[in-house]
Amino acid sequence: KAGVTQTPRYLIKTRGQQVTLSCSPISGHRSVSWYQQTPGQGLQFLFEYFSETQRNKGNFPGRFSGRQFSNSRSEMNVSTLELGDSALYLCASSLRTGEDSEQFFGPGTRLTVL
Amino acid sequence: SQKIEQNSEALNIQEGKTATLTCNYTNYSPAYLQWYRQDPGRGPVFLLLIRENEKEKRKERLKVTFDTTLKQSLFHITASQPADSATYLCALDAKEYGNKLVFGAGTILRVKS
Repeated sequence: KAGVTQTPRYLIKTRGQQVTLSCSPISGHRSVSWYQQTPGQGLQFLFEYFSETQRNKGNFPGRFSGRQFSNSRSEMNVSTLELGDSALYLCASSLRTGEDSEQFFGPGTRLTVL
Repeated sequence: SQKIEQNSEALNIQEGKTATLTCNYTNYSPAYLQWYRQDPGRGPVFLLLIRENEKEKRKERLKVTFDTTLKQSLFHITASQPADSATYLCALDAKEYGNKLVFGAGTILRVKS
């Protein structure tokens, strides 16, 4: 079974631009979560989608948004990029939401904002 | 305030010894706790999950304990090998926030041969 895939793997943008990251979950998984990972803050939860609905949201500004499609694929968008948005963005999928669902992570998208 | 703390310094041990990693939490009431392994440049990989009503869980050379009174989980790797070198993350469900997973900063483990 194919794992979680994320595209692109690397991205360089400049301040003020916007970016869209894509995540394809494991087949059959309906829950997709997004995390931001930086050396200083570690892994921070951004949001979770289940069956095209946002179920949970972390403490990030409204510049960070996401959506999930009917095939469970998810996209994350960051508008008006800031230098501090440089990070590894990880997507994780799971069979179900909440409870004790094991998260399967993708390789991440490394975003650099100049 | 709420926080999850893991050994901030790297743990260096000799091959064959048991590595013990600590995860302490404050002001959370998790129903379960998970441990993940992360290698450089890769996403975390799930290792073990332990529920609040379980004291201990084992999987091959791995053992996790969960003490809700001490608000602590210990992660043990017995007969450690250089291939076990990685960053280990603990994560708990924040019931107060809709069960989102909250991660600790991770502990770097280095196993020397």
